[in-house]
Amino acid sequence: SAVISQKPSRDICQRGTSLTIQCQVDSQVTMMFWYRQQPGQSLTLIATANQGSEATYESGFVIDKFPISRPNLTFSTLTVSNMSPEDSSIYLCSVEGVSTDTQYFGPGTRLTVL
Amino acid sequence: RKEVEQDPGPFNVPEGATVAFNCTYSNSASQSFFWYRQDCRKEPKLLMSVYSSGNEDGRFTAQLNRASQYISLLIRDSKLSDSATYLCVPQNRDDKIIFGKGTRLHILP
Repeated sequence: SAVISQKPSRDICQRGTSLTIQCQVDSQVTMMFWYRQQPGQSLTLIATANQGSEATYESGFVIDKFPISRPNLTFSTLTVSNMSPEDSSIYLCSVEGVSTDTQYFGPGTRLTVL
Repeated sequence: RKEVEQDPGPFNVPEGATVAFNCTYSNSASQSFFWYRQDCRKEPKLLMSVYSSGNEDGRFTAQLNRASQYISLLIRDSKLSDSATYLCVPQNRDDKIIFGKGTRLHILP
């Protein structure tokens, strides 16, 4: 399985600011995803991070609010822009296994917006 | 209908007992199926894949019923360390995996 790291592991931010979360994988992967998990809720897919092209966003999520970069096959960033308290959540990076169709998750970034 | 439905629980089960969860999914085109385990305040971790023929991994047995569109997980001889939320996860053809809220399990000493 891939080893995934995320930075920062947690942050407390002020309303109106932006935070960029980094996801690093120890091997090249084709598929990378960003999820969020709000308190007491299930994981919700935000977008698929595509290498070399714009991310594919799920319904309810837009690029202006959650810009995503994927400069290569081992790294991606998610930015949470113009934050509000409703953005307080755990943000998780996920990758698909090279030889399997299973997904592996990073440790998550716990974001609190005041 | 929700894409994935699970009884949220919590299931409070004495240590050593056998416990079973079911999960239903709505998309008949789902290709692959998994059970994930999520500990409190942690990321989900893959527990096991679910094959059409069913599969067993130690104390854990997973079954798939495509006709009825449900997946089951059986845990035998439950341990305190089995306390977690169990997420049933179908994967669609477009590689998107869908999470429900999961089923919370508490193993009681």
